[in-house]
Order: sequence, then structure tokens, then C-alpha cells
Amino acid sequence: ETGVTQSPTHLIKTRGQQVTLRCSSQSGHNTVSWYQQALGQGPQFIFQYYREEENGRGNFPPRFSGLQFPNYSSELNVNALELDDSALYLCASSLVGRVLNTEAFFGQGTRLTVV
Amino acid sequence: AQSVTQLDSHVSVSEGTPVLLRCNYSSSYSPSLFWYVQHPNKGLQLLLKYTSAATLVKGINGFEAEFKKSETSFHLTKPSAHMSDAAEYFCVVSVPYSSGGSYIPTFGRGTSLIVHP
Repeated sequence: ETGVTQSPTHLIKTRGQQVTLRCSSQSGHNTVSWYQQALGQGPQFIFQYYREEENGRGNFPPRFSGLQFPNYSSELNVNALELDDSALYLCASSLVGRVLNTEAFFGQGTRLTVV
Repeated sequence: AQSVTQLDSHVSVSEGTPVLLRCNYSSSYSPSLFWYVQHPNKGLQLLLKYTSAATLVKGINGFEAEFKKSETSFHLTKPSAHMSDAAEYFCVVSVPYSSGGSYIPTFGRGTSLIVHP
């Protein structure tokens, strides 16, 4: 177990709705990043937060947004859900701002299905 | 821009035989390279990383990888496969973001390792 927990584990939403996914970082970690993993694909980097500010973003539209809280837990929000948003959403935490140049610890993910 | 190509979507080996998972990358910057493993219903776990030190990198569970700049490759190997090695493996290239000191990771599509008894 990595100490990174995500909730919920599974979620079904309707197209056009909004969703919030949550991540609790490993104790002591100040950086969190979010990834989208479609079926049969590798994870795609959505964005990263370091000390409550976004400091890295992948190729995702603005309807994907996030927050990091003072206790370093995090939320991923997706507005106006589309069918293609169906995927496994992964959260990873690490100690410093360079997300993968120190080891990142991943949660088990939230499986989002959009119908 | 950077990209990662994992050359095999599936690799099938017998227990006790060598494992080779191939990865090629392209990057405009001097990259950091990683291999992650994903077991069913478990989170991604770091196997090993290359960050411009020794070109032969040793990781957990007997895995190692060699960085070859001339070939832009970072292949993952293990001398003897174990049943517990059956999983999905991802090669990752990471380059500096434009500001803030963060790095943008790009994952390959993954290689499924199948181990036969």
C-alpha cells in the first residue's frame, strides 16, 4: 500500500454532468498530480499541484480543473462530462515539485463511466 | 515535445526465461526515464529510473534497464521471469516544464507481460 487513497473507487455519471474526484496524499508529500488512463492506454498527465498551486499541465481542456488543499489533499473536477471522459483517473503524490524526478506514489484510481 | 514508443503490446515468456520489454523515446531535452509496473487492481509502482547518472540502472525485483542515447532506447530486462512478474509495464519519459521546476511525464501505451508456468 502506498498511502495514497482515492475516492470514490467507481462512479457512473451522465453526459453533461459535473464530477469531483478526491485524493488523499501520502503523509508528508506536498505535490500531487492527476492522470487519465483510458482502457488499454497508458496514463496521460492532466496536471500537477505543488503547495496549492498548479505548476504543470498536460493537453487537457479547461473543463478539467483541480484544487490542492493546505493538508495537501486534492480534488479533480470535470465539467460538462463527455463519453470520452470514461477512464481510470489516477492520483500520485510526491515530496517535491518535480513530480517524476522523485518517486511518485500512485493511488488505485477512480473508475469513471460516463453514459 | 517528447514521445514514448513501447514496441510490443504483449510479451509472453516462460517462467525462468529472460524478459525483454522494449522502449524507445524522443525528446528535445535531456530526459529522465522511468519504468512503472501496474498489477491488476493495484496502483502503479516505480520499478526504476534514469536521471543522467549511470546508464545501467538497477531496480526492484531484479529488473534493470540500460539507457542508450545513440539508440534513444531504454529497454527493461530481467534475467529470469517469475510468475509474479505478470503485469502491465509502462515506460515514461519526463522533461522539464516551461516554468516552476516541474516535469511533464509522458507514458507509453504499455506492454503486457505474460508469464507461463
